[in-house]
Amino acid sequence: DAGVIQSPRHEVTEMGQEVTLRCKPISGHNSLFWYRQTMMRGLELLIYFNNNVPIDDSGMPEDRFSAKMPNASFSTLKIQPSEPRDSAVYFCASKGQAMNEKLFFGSGTQLSVL
Amino acid sequence: EDQVTQSPEALRLQEGESSSLNCSYTVSGLRGLFWYRQDPGKGPEFLFTLYSAGEEKEKERLKATLTKKESFLHITAPKPEDSATYLCAVQASSSGSARQLTFGSGTQLTVLP
Repeated sequence: DAGVIQSPRHEVTEMGQEVTLRCKPISGHNSLFWYRQTMMRGLELLIYFNNNVPIDDSGMPEDRFSAKMPNASFSTLKIQPSEPRDSAVYFCASKGQAMNEKLFFGSGTQLSVL
Repeated sequence: EDQVTQSPEALRLQEGESSSLNCSYTVSGLRGLFWYRQDPGKGPEFLFTLYSAGEEKEKERLKATLTKKESFLHITAPKPEDSATYLCAVQASSSGSARQLTFGSGTQLTVLP
């Protein structure tokens, strides 16, 4: 299995531009998570989906952030408009059915907003 | 609110010098405690899950233990390749957060040759 695949690996954009991050979870996994990692705040859960349905988006910072999961094999995290404080590493992770099943993380997208 | 505190923030060891990393937690009913390893430029990689106080898990030079308030990750005779950031996370048993993990800020371990 190729694992969780994220794209792009790096994104540099200017303030005010729209940014779209993409994630392909591991086939057969039914839960998908978006995390943001910074030096100051560590790993923060932004949103998670179960069976393609958003379950908890309380971690999404504000209305500029949105996430979709149109099918079991694809999810996007969009920031519009982007701001310099959005600069961080964004991770996607997936897990299978069992409640305690471990999370598998992608390699992340390093986002820099200038 | 679930909380996870890891200490120390950073740890430098000489090769072969054993030590322990600490993860203190408060959670409304623990479903599981997880340890992950994160290398620079990569996502966290799963190491262990512990479910109940007294449980221990081992993998090569690493051993994780769990009490009702904290978990330790013991590193015996570490090697330079053990250098990484070690993350602890808890999963609460409350229905609203049953699928979520709350992560600590991590311990950055450096093992010098």
